[in-house]
Amino acid sequence: DTAVSQTPKYLVTQMGNDKSIKCEQNLGHDTMYWYKQDSKKFLKIMFSYNNKELIINETVPNRFSPKSPDKAHLNLHINSLELGDSAVYFCASSLKGLGRWNTGELFFGEGSRLTVL
Amino acid sequence: SQQGEEDPQALSIQEGENATMNCSYKTSINNLQWYRQNSGRGLVHLILIRSNEREKHSGRLRVTLDTSKKSSSLLITASRAADTASYFCATDDRGSTLGRLYFGRGTQLTVWP
Repeated sequence: DTAVSQTPKYLVTQMGNDKSIKCEQNLGHDTMYWYKQDSKKFLKIMFSYNNKELIINETVPNRFSPKSPDKAHLNLHINSLELGDSAVYFCASSLKGLGRWNTGELFFGEGSRLTVL
Repeated sequence: SQQGEEDPQALSIQEGENATMNCSYKTSINNLQWYRQNSGRGLVHLILIRSNEREKHSGRLRVTLDTSKKSSSLLITASRAADTASYFCATDDRGSTLGRLYFGRGTQLTVWP
């Protein structure tokens, strides 16, 4: 029973292509996130959605477009892929948003390794 | 930015030894969390310590927090080969109403049998 599942696990594609990564959580959480981990393991937040509403857009190029059809799903579509987009993309969820008075742990998926050639 | 920084970047020890990793951050926080990442896997939450707490234990893990120095440490006692992983600290930002967790680059711990 995978809590946060994302597909595909590996994605190899050419520059200029468009690709999508899907994420689903079965934890009943309100908030979902996309994080990007670079080759040096630096993990940076990209987007946060709370109950289908975009909360955080961390100055990510508009080639990246998240979509949340319902609070259990958060997909990431990337247009016109560039070499620098190669990274591992992690989906995560939390019970509530991490606002000022909320504290909570993140539950991560296993990651989607994107390689742009 | 609030980004945490772990120190050392890499740590190599023998089974049975203790492993200590440190984390420093920049702004005031509500809480600090530690996560573990096995190679090729997602991050797994280990422990959360609130800003009004100084020390917390969970099994073989001991976390300390010094808000005056804006630093935290994670101690793993009696380490095992299975503890080999990257360890990340993550902080929020007390001054922000939005929810963000800031991660560092992690400490790569290798425990030799």
